Amino acid sequence: NAGVTQTPKFQVLKTGQSMTLQCAQDMNHNSMYWYRQDPGMGLRLIYYSASEGTTDKGEVPNGYNVSRLNKREFSLRLESAAPSQTSVYFCASSEAWGGVYNEQFFGPGTRLTVL
Amino acid sequence: KNQVEQSPQSLIILEGKNCTLQCNYTVSPFSNLRWYKQDTGRGPVSLTIMTFSENTKSNGRYTATLDADTKQSSLHITASQLSDSASYICVVSAVYGGSQGNLIFGKGTKLSVKP
Repeated sequence: NAGVTQTPKFQVLKTGQSMTLQCAQDMNHNSMYWYRQDPGMGLRLIYYSASEGTTDKGEVPNGYNVSRLNKREFSLRLESAAPSQTSVYFCASSEAWGGVYNEQFFGPGTRLTVL
Repeated sequence: KNQVEQSPQSLIILEGKNCTLQCNYTVSPFSNLRWYKQDTGRGPVSLTIMTFSENTKSNGRYTATLDADTKQSSLHITASQLSDSASYICVVSAVYGGSQGNLIFGKGTKLSVKP
């Protein structure tokens, strides 16, 4: 099992460009998440999908959109990239939303630079 | 606001030595606390998950403790190895997540193990 995979690994964009970050999991998990990690800060939740067909905003959703394409795939789109979106983006998945032993499994990350 | 504070920010130890990392939280209502290890350039990987009724939990050379009364946790690493060099992130799960989601992340302690 590959677990959680993300593409691309690295990306450089110019201000105003758009792009989509892809995420897929092969663990048959119901819930998926997008986080960003910035230097000196903890991971912050951008959007999540508690189950197939649903998406909800997290702590920092502005400037992003998401699509839960199917149970396996959850994409994150930047419509008009800004330098403030330079960050490392992590996708994660879990068997369910909430629950005491709801363990989240993380992908390897996408390092995005916006010039 | 729910918060997780970790100390120290960074730590350098010699191979073979022990160390203890600290985590204080102000998350309510509390569900569980977890420690993640994040190698440079990789996604976080879960080490332990503890509920309020569990005082200690071990995973090999890693031992986590939890005092739910004082809202403190520690991660003790025994006989450190070079491969322990990583960031260690304390994550607290709230029963009701809100916009942060059900996981609140600390900023991490960066551990460097030197030969």
